[in-house]
Amino acid sequence: TAGITQAPTSQILAAGRSMTLRCTQDMRHNAMYWYRQDLGLGLRLIHYSNTAGTTGKGEVPDGYSVSRANTDDFPLTLASAVPSQTSVYFCASSEDGSTGGLASGYTFGSGTRLTVV
Amino acid sequence: GQNIDQPTEMTATEGAIVQINCTYQTSGFNGLFWYQQHAGEAPTFLSYNVLDGLEEKGRFSSFLSRSKGYSYLLLKELQMKDSASYLCAVMDSNYQLIWGAGTKLIIKP
Repeated sequence: TAGITQAPTSQILAAGRSMTLRCTQDMRHNAMYWYRQDLGLGLRLIHYSNTAGTTGKGEVPDGYSVSRANTDDFPLTLASAVPSQTSVYFCASSEDGSTGGLASGYTFGSGTRLTVV
Repeated sequence: GQNIDQPTEMTATEGAIVQINCTYQTSGFNGLFWYQQHAGEAPTFLSYNVLDGLEEKGRFSSFLSRSKGYSYLLLKELQMKDSASYLCAVMDSNYQLIWGAGTKLIIKP
């Protein structure tokens, strides 16, 4: 089934450790996004990429980095985790970053539940 | 600043109709989206409105009034499986999605 694969599904991470959340899509979508979702808050954009080779900062980029070496993969790295990064992380994609893939919306991965202790 | 407001929680009865409202204030407007999110799962796309009016898709309809900064999602013939959170999101002038916190809909038999 075409879509977005995220790994791992969940992780407990010691504070100060680094970690990379993986995201792969097979829809050949140009744009990809990383969001975090916390209770009582809307999805917040961490980083995005409108096309392979380019990335941009979202609303809450501090403490996170991304790369987009090819169309399919968009990993998110936490260099030195802190407890405030405990959250559910969703990767998403859309057909066209400049217009956001309007009518078809975004496709989301199943999420990574990260707990930093 | 940019803001999306929707009720935190709503309760409805199986077989009934429910309307979930969303008001927004954003820098520019390039469309409004509704997503459904079951607990512990990813959001899934329900609808997209860019022009004023009602868009109907089966049991779900979405309405938009750009002049009022207002939208609603209408769910008819409610089923237990409709118990979920419903997320309203607006695409701003930079083609970035601004998300509401979601409305948790509880369906009772």
